[in-house]
Amino acid sequence: AQSVTQPDARVTVSEGASLQLRCKYSYSGTPYLFWYVQYQRQGLQLLLKYYSGDPVVQGVNGFEAEFSKSDSSFHLRKASVHWSDSAVYFCAASPTGNYKYVFGAGTRLKVIA
Amino acid sequence: DTTVKQNPRYKLARVGKPVNLICSQTMNHDTMYWYQKKPNQAPKLLLFYYDKILNREADTFEKFQSSRPNNSFCSLYIGSAGLEYSAMYLCASRDTNTGQLYFGEGSKLTVL
Repeated sequence: AQSVTQPDARVTVSEGASLQLRCKYSYSGTPYLFWYVQYQRQGLQLLLKYYSGDPVVQGVNGFEAEFSKSDSSFHLRKASVHWSDSAVYFCAASPTGNYKYVFGAGTRLKVIA
Repeated sequence: DTTVKQNPRYKLARVGKPVNLICSQTMNHDTMYWYQKKPNQAPKLLLFYYDKILNREADTFEKFQSSRPNNSFCSLYIGSAGLEYSAMYLCASRDTNTGQLYFGEGSKLTVL
């Protein structure tokens, strides 16, 4: 079955530290891949997306993600986190040409001083 | 304006009573979605409209109804709410050109 797994339910990092949030997908072929962020009391917002080409994609607010076909992963990274990055991050996948989007359960990021 | 609006933001319902949630978008997107989100779980796709064609997921086929009277509006209807329907309901629309989903802030349903 098609699925997206985010193995870390909660991550805590210190302000200024680097960040990696993990995402693994299970699909035949290469789906379109997304990272969304949900700040408190707001809707999910797109951070970045991958369709094809360069496996490293840049997003908003200094976030980037790297696609790995061999590992079936699409990990999110940021070089230096800020307290305002505290939020829930969702990884999502959509098969090419399909209208369905499958989400992971999310990773709650807490940035501490 | 790239917002998706959902009403109501909070809904309290009694077991066995109907519930109607509303979503609107002004981006002229062809596709609109409803997801159910429970704590510590992934958003679960319930159904989506592509234009006027409704697609419902097999495991929720009989539990949720929907209508889309025009391109901008989409509703989610529960005929008889059960305790298990308590959740956040997320509406989204899809930009055909980019594949990006735009989400509303959600409607939190509590069934007592």
